[in-house]
Amino acid sequence: AQSVTQLGSHVSVSEGALVLLRCNYSSSVPPYLFWYVQYPNQGLQLLLKYTTGATLVKGINGFEAEFKKSETSFHLTKPSAHMSDAAEYFCAVTVGSGNTGKLIFGQGTTLQVKP
Amino acid sequence: NAGVTQTPKFRVLKTGQSMTLLCAQDMNHEYMYWYRQDPGMGLRLIHYSVGEGTTAKGEVPDGYNVSRLKKQNFLLGLESAAPSQTSVYFCASSRGIGPLDTQYFGPGTRLTVL
Repeated sequence: AQSVTQLGSHVSVSEGALVLLRCNYSSSVPPYLFWYVQYPNQGLQLLLKYTTGATLVKGINGFEAEFKKSETSFHLTKPSAHMSDAAEYFCAVTVGSGNTGKLIFGQGTTLQVKP
Repeated sequence: NAGVTQTPKFRVLKTGQSMTLLCAQDMNHEYMYWYRQDPGMGLRLIHYSVGEGTTAKGEVPDGYNVSRLKKQNFLLGLESAAPSQTSVYFCASSRGIGPLDTQYFGPGTRLTVL
């Protein structure tokens, strides 16, 4: 079975600092990996996803993530945090297609950006 | 193009009461999903539908029922609400169920059961 673990339920950075949100997955087959962002009182919005090919994936708002199979990780980074990045971030995994294509979410990481 | 909408946005119920949450999408998507979000637990899949007239159980289906009578609508019902069902409920839809098919989420319904 697939699972996702997000290390750190709360991360605080200063504006302009590097953002690093950690995600590790467990899967017995090649995974497909996603990062979603949830702004206050809103639904989830897709930031980026890894399916196949290049392991460094670029998303919206300057975020990127790197799939590292050897470390079973898919950490999310952004070189310089902006106040508008304050939100909750979810890592998710799915495998294959058809009936097994459902998303499994991590528990979420709240990003706080301090001025 | 409104995307995915959810009705109502907020609701307070007493234990034992029933209610129905409505999800509507205008993207002609085949697949629709209901999730619940609880602090520290991320989103968990309650039920999903792979097309009009079909439904299937997700990770946490107990205490919920769903119906997909029209392609654009996916209803989530609570027949006898319990405090453990206090949560934020999200509906999502996608064109397909594979990894290339992005799930689009609604704004959520915050439900409190007293």
